Amino acid sequence: QKEVEQDPGPLSVPEGAIVSLNCTYSNSAFQYFMWYRQYSRKGPELLMYTYSSGNKEDGRFTAQVDKSSKYISLFIRDSQPSDSATYLCAMSREGNKLVFGAGTILRVKS
Amino acid sequence: NAGVTQTPKFQVLKTGQSMTLQCAQDMNHNSMYWYRQDPGMGLRLIYYSASEGTTDKGEVPNGYNVSRLNKREFSLRLESAAPSQTSVYFCASSLRDRGPYEQYFGPGTRLTVT
Repeated sequence: QKEVEQDPGPLSVPEGAIVSLNCTYSNSAFQYFMWYRQYSRKGPELLMYTYSSGNKEDGRFTAQVDKSSKYISLFIRDSQPSDSATYLCAMSREGNKLVFGAGTILRVKS
Repeated sequence: NAGVTQTPKFQVLKTGQSMTLQCAQDMNHNSMYWYRQDPGMGLRLIYYSASEGTTDKGEVPNGYNVSRLNKREFSLRLESAAPSQTSVYFCASSLRDRGPYEQYFGPGTRLTVT
């Protein structure tokens, strides 16, 4: 069983929809939680970062961490075609050795 | 600033050949990392260097060696390439190796081993 599970999708939504992306994990020692966005044939770039439990909001993006359920989410409001990408969750115990999910492909149709 | 640069962008090798993937960063970061990305597997850490002069194994180190040449450069070597090493390789760097420091990724090297 993988330490981090993420549905690969693809997830296809109309422009303006609210998107929910999720990951589950098994290692209770994880305390740093991140979401990376990766456009086709590019390197990943950090989108959101959360330490321990709670919510964090940045513009149209909201990250949630529920450590009791070992479940993290990324919400995208008012989704745009430019949001079409692969979204990777990543987590670690100490911030350096990241464990990634497989990534979810998101397609936003105009 | 160029950020993290990787060379080459593409490479095709025959089984048994060797090659070195180069990575450099101009952000004065202390820590550098090598990942591989395979379909359905996400990114997996091969090796990392917490600081100049140190290297450590990640999740999938077998078949690879690394060299932290100086603070800027971190190379990944395949001594005898195998088809299972066909992948996209990403180099990343961060200011520190512990705590909430963002890892910045390079554009990747697409390697095919036939």
